[in-house]
Amino acid sequence: AQSVTQLGSHVSVSEGALVLLRCNYSSSVPPYLFWYVQYPNQGLQLLLKYTTGATLVKGINGFEAEFKKSETSFHLTKPSAHMSDAAEYFCAVFQGAQKLVFGQGTRLTINP
Amino acid sequence: EAGVAQSPRYKIIEKRQSVAFWCNPISGHATLYWYQQILGQGPKLLIQFQNNGVVDDSQLPKDRFSAERLKGVDSTLKIQPAKLEDSAVYLCASSFLRGRGGETQYFGPGTRLLVL
Repeated sequence: AQSVTQLGSHVSVSEGALVLLRCNYSSSVPPYLFWYVQYPNQGLQLLLKYTTGATLVKGINGFEAEFKKSETSFHLTKPSAHMSDAAEYFCAVFQGAQKLVFGQGTRLTINP
Repeated sequence: EAGVAQSPRYKIIEKRQSVAFWCNPISGHATLYWYQQILGQGPKLLIQFQNNGVVDDSQLPKDRFSAERLKGVDSTLKIQPAKLEDSAVYLCASSFLRGRGGETQYFGPGTRLLVL
C-alpha cells in the first residue's frame, strides 16, 4: 500500500524566509501527488498537483513543488514566507487503490 | 460557483448518542467522499460514492457508521452509537468525474464533532 511521510510535524520560519516542507512517498508506480493547505476551522484547499509532464509544478500563492522520482520526494517550497502562509499543509498520494492517502500534516508558523 | 456545503459546523454529544452530518457537493460532481480527520492526523477516507453507488467503504466502521447519498446529490453520514474515539472533524469532498487519477477533490469546511 502506498504511504506518505511528511518530515517535521511543525516548521517555523521568519517572514520573508524560504519555506521548505518535506514529503516522501512510497509507490511502485509513478503516482499522482498533491499538496493541500488547511487554514484554521476550514476545509482543505488544493495548492498544486503533479500528474504527468513537467516535474516542477507551480501552484497558488507562490508555492511550487518538484517531483523527484529517484528520491521519491515531492517537497513544497516558497521563496519568501508571508504571515498569511501560516496553516497546516498536507501532502497526499493517489495511486493503486484509487484513493487519496494523506500524510500526517505539517503545521507552518511564520514569525514576524 | 458554490463550494461543498456541510452542516452542522460543530456538534457536541455524549457517548452512546447518535449524530448525523449532511453534505451538499458542488453541482454536477459525480463523486462524493467522506473523510475523518482526527486531531494531529491527515484525513482518512471513510466512504466514496459515485453518483448514488458506493465505490469504497473499506475503512468505514460499519457497526456504528452508515452513509447514504440520496439521488446522487446530497449525502448524510450517521454515527450510532458514538464513542469517545469518534471525536474528529468530518470532511466531505466532491470531484467532477469518477475520482480517478489526478482529479482534484474539493473539500467542504468540515463538521467538528466532540464526544463527551
